[in-house]
Amino acid sequence: NAGVTQTPKFRILKIGQSMTLQCAQDMNHNYMYWYRQDPGMGLKLIYYSVGAGITDKGEVPNGYNVSRSTTEDFPLRLELAAPSQTSVYFCASSYSGQGYEQYFGPGTRLTVT
Amino acid sequence: AQSVTQPDIHITVSEGASLELRCNYSYGATPYLFWYVQSPGQGLQLLLKYFSGDTLVQGIKGFEAEFKRSQSSFNLRKPSVHWSDAAEYFCAVGEGTGRRALTFGSGTRLQVQP
Repeated sequence: NAGVTQTPKFRILKIGQSMTLQCAQDMNHNYMYWYRQDPGMGLKLIYYSVGAGITDKGEVPNGYNVSRSTTEDFPLRLELAAPSQTSVYFCASSYSGQGYEQYFGPGTRLTVT
Repeated sequence: AQSVTQPDIHITVSEGASLELRCNYSYGATPYLFWYVQSPGQGLQLLLKYFSGDTLVQGIKGFEAEFKRSQSSFNLRKPSVHWSDAAEYFCAVGEGTGRRALTFGSGTRLQVQP
């Protein structure tokens, strides 16, 4: 049971490039989330999904897109990368029942220059 | 909208000393409260959670937290800190329904002196 996995661990992008951050979980969780963490700040919600085929925006969705074609995978797409997207990105998942703590992946550190 | 305040950005304690990290929340309904710990370069690990019932909750690594509704607080405590506890600690409040997202505080960085 690997939990929540994220790839890559590190990435440097040039301004205007695009990339996809991968996230997968093997716990059969319905809920999945993408957060970003900026220095000295807590995590901010980018997008979330309550099940396969259902996604919605969080607090800071601009510049990002997501899809959820399977229960396991929840990739985050960055189009036209900007320096403001330099951050650490965390994927998380949780199950539907009561006691729904979120399980976090190890994070992807992205630098846009 | 809910919010979480962690008033202490950075705390230094001596190894073996007691620890209390403060957390205040704002939420319209009964809150779901969490404490997570993040070691350098790592993801977040759940320390403990509160949903209902006993207001003093026990977590992993010897941590506990007390929910005080009248003070809108959920402070984290440990009676004797170990050097391995040095990390960043995040308090979060969870939405009970709908998207069930977490709103995080800005974190408290704990340094442990030998």
